[in-house]
Amino acid sequence: DIQMTQSPSSLSASVGDRVTITCRASQGSSNYLAWYQQKPGKVPKLLIYAASTLHSGVPSRFSGSGSGTDFTLTISSLQPDDVATYYCQNYDSVPRTFGQGTKVEIK
Amino acid sequence: EVQLLESGGGLVQPGGSLRLSCAASGFTFSDYAMTWVRQAPGKGLEWVSDISGSAGSTYYADSVKGRFTISRDTSKKTVYLQMNSLRVDDTAIYYCAKTQGSGWFNDYWGQGTLVTVSS
Repeated sequence: DIQMTQSPSSLSASVGDRVTITCRASQGSSNYLAWYQQKPGKVPKLLIYAASTLHSGVPSRFSGSGSGTDFTLTISSLQPDDVATYYCQNYDSVPRTFGQGTKVEIK
Repeated sequence: EVQLLESGGGLVQPGGSLRLSCAASGFTFSDYAMTWVRQAPGKGLEWVSDISGSAGSTYYADSVKGRFTISRDTSKKTVYLQMNSLRVDDTAIYYCAKTQGSGWFNDYWGQGTLVTVSS
């Protein structure tokens, strides 16, 4: 099974800051990597798939990169609406494991 | 507009059974694989099961294999999760989600249904 490890587990940053979240796979998964955003009390939403493809309607301040075992989600300019927990997911193989999540707060 | 509406959650005793349903609308149901994902209270997301558009392929997490069964009814545009031998650690919100089509990731999610396993 591929294990997904996110870092950090939480972070606090100021509005306008550049924020980077890392996801590491225990085995190479090509680019079959998705990122989701879950705001408090809400349903998860797809942000990025295929490691770097922005889902329709997602603001361009979100971007994804990486391949193989190391992937990154970047928020170029953090906004108050971005307060949420972010999850990566391997969908290359079963089980389609999620990372443990990264909680993003405003400083 | 894509809509996914889960139902069937509730309180059940350990060892009991429940069947969750997810009614889909706003897309050609048979063209897309469907997924169940769960989230225990205060915890992260856990992938549970997938079913292909044709229902010819099903996949399960080890934690539910042999106890849960995913199925779908194209005429009713509904996907199901039959949950047997329920355990306390199955307590979670269960989300139904549609796959995007170009991979086994999920572009639309339902609001979820809460399953509580407790004596």
